[in-house]
Amino acid sequence: KAGVTQTPRYLIKTRGQQVTLSCSPISGHRSVSWYQQTPGQGLQFLFEYFSETQRNKGNFPGRFSGRQFSNSRSEMNVSTLELGDSALYLCASSLVRLAGLETQYFGPGTRLLVL
Amino acid sequence: GIQVEQSPPDLILQEGANSTLRCNFSDSVNNLQWFHQNPWGQLINLFYIPSGTKQNGRLSATTVATERYSLLYISSSQTTDSGVYFCAGSGYSSASKIIFGSGTRLSIRP
Repeated sequence: KAGVTQTPRYLIKTRGQQVTLSCSPISGHRSVSWYQQTPGQGLQFLFEYFSETQRNKGNFPGRFSGRQFSNSRSEMNVSTLELGDSALYLCASSLVRLAGLETQYFGPGTRLLVL
Repeated sequence: GIQVEQSPPDLILQEGANSTLRCNFSDSVNNLQWFHQNPWGQLINLFYIPSGTKQNGRLSATTVATERYSLLYISSSQTTDSGVYFCAGSGYSSASKIIFGSGTRLSIRP
């Protein structure tokens, strides 16, 4: 089975621009979660999607948004980029059980640099 | 939301040594997992362990859910074990909102 894939792997943007990142989950996984990792804040939960619905959201401003398609692929968008948005963005997919999620499998991440 | 504390923050060991990493949770936790992040940033799931004990080769983990902590044991450390180890979990009211600890940075010297 193919793992979680993320595109692009590296990205350089300037302040004020917007960016869209893509994540393709493991086949059969319907839950996709996004995380931001920075040296100062560590790994922070952005949001989780299941069956095209956002079920949970972390404490990020409205500039961060996402969506999930019917094939479970997910995209996240960051508008009006700020320098502090420079980070490693990680996507994880998992099966879903009644009381939560099963094991999460992470993609390689997208490294975003905002200049 | 739940808080996740990991200790120690840093650990430097000689190859062949054993180590114990600890994770404490502020409340009852769901979906407890341990991950290893390699130097290239890839996060690898080591254990999904909401309770009990599991072993995988030189690694094992124990979660005592009633006391809100989990332990990761690494025996006979190898240089390839170096990296950052994270534990993560969610509260029962937001079961898919996974919160990560700040990690333990492990360095194994040859």
